[in-house]
Amino acid sequence: DGGITQSPKYLFRKEGQNVTLSCEQNLNHDAMYWYRQDPGQGLRLIYYSQIVNDFQKGDIAEGYSVSREKKESFPLTVTSAQKNPTAFYLCASSIADRGNSPLHFGNGTRLTVT
Amino acid sequence: KQEVTQIPAALSVPEGENLVLNCSFTDSAIYNLQWFRQDPGKGLTSLLLIQSSQREQTSGRLNASLDKSSGRSTLYIAASQPGDSATYLCAVRSYNTDKLIFGTGTRLQVFP
Repeated sequence: DGGITQSPKYLFRKEGQNVTLSCEQNLNHDAMYWYRQDPGQGLRLIYYSQIVNDFQKGDIAEGYSVSREKKESFPLTVTSAQKNPTAFYLCASSIADRGNSPLHFGNGTRLTVT
Repeated sequence: KQEVTQIPAALSVPEGENLVLNCSFTDSAIYNLQWFRQDPGKGLTSLLLIQSSQREQTSGRLNASLDKSSGRSTLYIAASQPGDSATYLCAVRSYNTDKLIFGTGTRLQVFP
């Protein structure tokens, strides 16, 4: 089955630690995205990548970093600089980062930092 | 700046009712509008995508309309079922940013 796999489903970390969230897709999509979802708020874009070895900041990139070394993979690192890291993180992909390409989402990772 | 609003925030209806979910956006310069479904603790599933040149899209019991000039879209669900219970989100892709801007969703509960 083609799709997007996010792991782990739940992640717990102590404050001050960096943590990396995994996102893998086998849809052969060029574009990949990371969103953050908080209760009562819409999804907010953290980073996106249009092609391998290229990525751009979204609306809330501070405290996060990404890499895109392979087409299939777009890991997100939540650094200790992120002030409110506890949230639900969603990875998505599309055929291309162009106007009419629909987005496909993974099942998310819930990160809790204490 | 594009803003997307969904009303109501929550809706509870008995099984079998036809219902309408609303989505409004402030900037009509969009490529498309997409409706998603999200089950608790899960990712988003794409339901319908309406191109800016289209007026509506249909899939099974779902029908989505788009009125760009007034900045509105509706998602019509016919003969609702308990399995339709979920949060429904709309998102628009603006010319300005070429990124999806999401609404906060409508949480739907259909009871037997």
